[in-house]
Amino acid sequence: AQSVAQPEDQVNVAEGNPLTVKCTYSVSGNPYLFWYVQYPNRGLQFLLKYITGDNLVKGSYGFEAEFNKSQTSFHLKKPSALVSDSALYFCAVRDGGDKLIFGTGTRLQVFP
Amino acid sequence: ETGVTQSPTHLIKTRGQQVTLRCSSQSGHNTVSWYQQALGQGPQFIFQYYREEENGRGNFPPRFSGLQFPNYSSELNVNALELDDSALYLCASSLPTGAANEKLFFGSGTQLSVL
Repeated sequence: AQSVAQPEDQVNVAEGNPLTVKCTYSVSGNPYLFWYVQYPNRGLQFLLKYITGDNLVKGSYGFEAEFNKSQTSFHLKKPSALVSDSALYFCAVRDGGDKLIFGTGTRLQVFP
Repeated sequence: ETGVTQSPTHLIKTRGQQVTLRCSSQSGHNTVSWYQQALGQGPQFIFQYYREEENGRGNFPPRFSGLQFPNYSSELNVNALELDDSALYLCASSLPTGAANEKLFFGSGTQLSVL
């Protein structure tokens, strides 16, 4: 079965510093990986997705993610964090043609 | 903002009651999925509808049922509510490409509280 793991419940970073939110995956076959962000009282918003063959994926709001097959990881990164980036971040993997399997989420707190 | 709208935004029910949640998908999307997000957890897939037919189901009991209408809007019905059904229910629509890497467009959700 497909699964993703987000090992950190919370990540704290100072504004202007680089940030990384970690995700590891377990899949059979080609992985289709996603990052979504959830702001308070809002639904999930798509950030980026992994397409086979392109290990560095660029997404919305200056975020990017690096796919690493040998480490089975898909970490979310941003070179310079903003206070407005504070939110709940979910890694997800497509399971079959119908559903996404989400991780438990990582709360990102960016301090001024 | 996505074009996916859900109603109501908040709902309070008592154990044993039935509830209907509604979702209007983004224009041009004929695929609608429903997810349950319990407090502190990631969303969990309930089921998906494609062209008015159920197209996949997660590990939820039959008292969770759904409908999709010809205009591709959708309903989620939950019978015999239990306390553990308290959660944020999210609706998501997607483009009709069938591609596995297709992204989902989520609504803001319905917060259901079961007392």
